[in-house]
Amino acid sequence: DQQVKQNSPSLSVQEGRISILNCDYTNSMFDYFLWYKKYPAEGPTFLISISSIKDKNEDGRFTVFLNKSAKHLSLHIVPSQPGDSAVYFCAARGSQGNLIFGKGTKLSVKP
Amino acid sequence: DSGVTQTPKHLITATGQRVTLRCSPRSGDLSVYWYQQSLDQGLQFLIQYYNGEERAKGNILERFSAQQFPDLHSELNLSSLELGDSALYFCASSVDPGATYEQYFGPGTRLTVT
Repeated sequence: DQQVKQNSPSLSVQEGRISILNCDYTNSMFDYFLWYKKYPAEGPTFLISISSIKDKNEDGRFTVFLNKSAKHLSLHIVPSQPGDSAVYFCAARGSQGNLIFGKGTKLSVKP
Repeated sequence: DSGVTQTPKHLITATGQRVTLRCSPRSGDLSVYWYQQSLDQGLQFLIQYYNGEERAKGNILERFSAQQFPDLHSELNLSSLELGDSALYFCASSVDPGATYEQYFGPGTRLTVT
């Protein structure tokens, strides 16, 4: 049973527009969430995180929003750039300190 | 570059064999995590070591084992390999899992079992 779900396997966006990647989770005890970006043949790269006591965290072009009542978080990228094309993974911190990942969303940013 | 190194990059072996994957964490990081990424399962947590001691276990098979050495590098041993063990194996490290939750990943080892 997947505790972290990314229901969109892929997303295509025009350069300069906003990219919105979504993630849902089932366990209300999760207290920390992270987004990772992955290019082919590389390991996941940490992007941005948010604690469950906050509803928004911003870092440059990247903003993560958390809606605890809906058990939903989203990553906004504004403006999107071709170099943002990658697979994005949502993760939650598990009770053992490990990360529980969604299956990823492949973002394509077209020039 | 995350600062986490993994060797080898690729490994091809036959069923029934045993392999060892190696990971060196970022300088200063005490905690090492191992994850498996297969096509249908996504990234799955296997095991964590902190300063030489096993800290947490995930869905790690009994045929798999790991250890962390005094210099903090870690090895993941996979034995009696099966076709289904073919996957990407990632190592990640963090400073102190109680102080910070971000983990930094190595480039991975692609294991192919034939």
